[in-house]
Amino acid sequence: AQSVAQPEDQVNVAEGNPLTVKCTYSVSGNPYLFWYVQYPNRGLQFLLKYITGDNLVKGSYGFEAEFNKSQTSFHLKKPSALVSDSALYFCAVRGKGTAGNNRKLIWGLGTSLAVNP
Amino acid sequence: KAGVTQTPRYLIKTRGQQVTLSCSPISGHRSVSWYQQTPGQGLQFLFEYFSETQRNKGNFPGRFSGRQFSNSRSEMNVSTLELGDSALYLCASSLEGSDTQYFGPGTRLTVL
Repeated sequence: AQSVAQPEDQVNVAEGNPLTVKCTYSVSGNPYLFWYVQYPNRGLQFLLKYITGDNLVKGSYGFEAEFNKSQTSFHLKKPSALVSDSALYFCAVRGKGTAGNNRKLIWGLGTSLAVNP
Repeated sequence: KAGVTQTPRYLIKTRGQQVTLSCSPISGHRSVSWYQQTPGQGLQFLFEYFSETQRNKGNFPGRFSGRQFSNSRSEMNVSTLELGDSALYLCASSLEGSDTQYFGPGTRLTVL
């Protein structure tokens, strides 16, 4: 069965410090991996995705994520956190294929990021 | 382009009632997915529609239903509301062949 785990409910970092939000996954075959961010009272916004190719993916707002196949991880990173990065972050995965349950995105429960000034 | 819009933004209903939520996708997007978001369960997939056909369905009871119109607008309906249906309902649209979903702001449903 496909699954996604975000092992930390909350991450706290000081402004200017690097941040990491962790995500591990389980999927048959090669995965499609995604990160989304949700600000209070808003829908989710797409940050970045990994489909194939370079393991380091760069996305919006200075975020990047590294796909590690051996560790089945897709951690989100940013070199220098901003207070405005404080939000809820979701990791999602699906297996390759366009039919049936393989097409559904499976979502993590989210990690609340708090960046302190 | 205008983003995904959802109406209404907030709803308060009582147990046993039914509710209909509406979603207008980004122009040109023919795929619409619905999710239920709650603090304890995260995002739970409800269903996906493409060209007026349900293409995928999550593990929700039959009280939850949806449809899509020829202009790609979608509605979801929940009948016989229960307290546990209180949640943020999110709609997302995407282009055919694309994996990137674009979300609306959601409809906050409160069941009393």
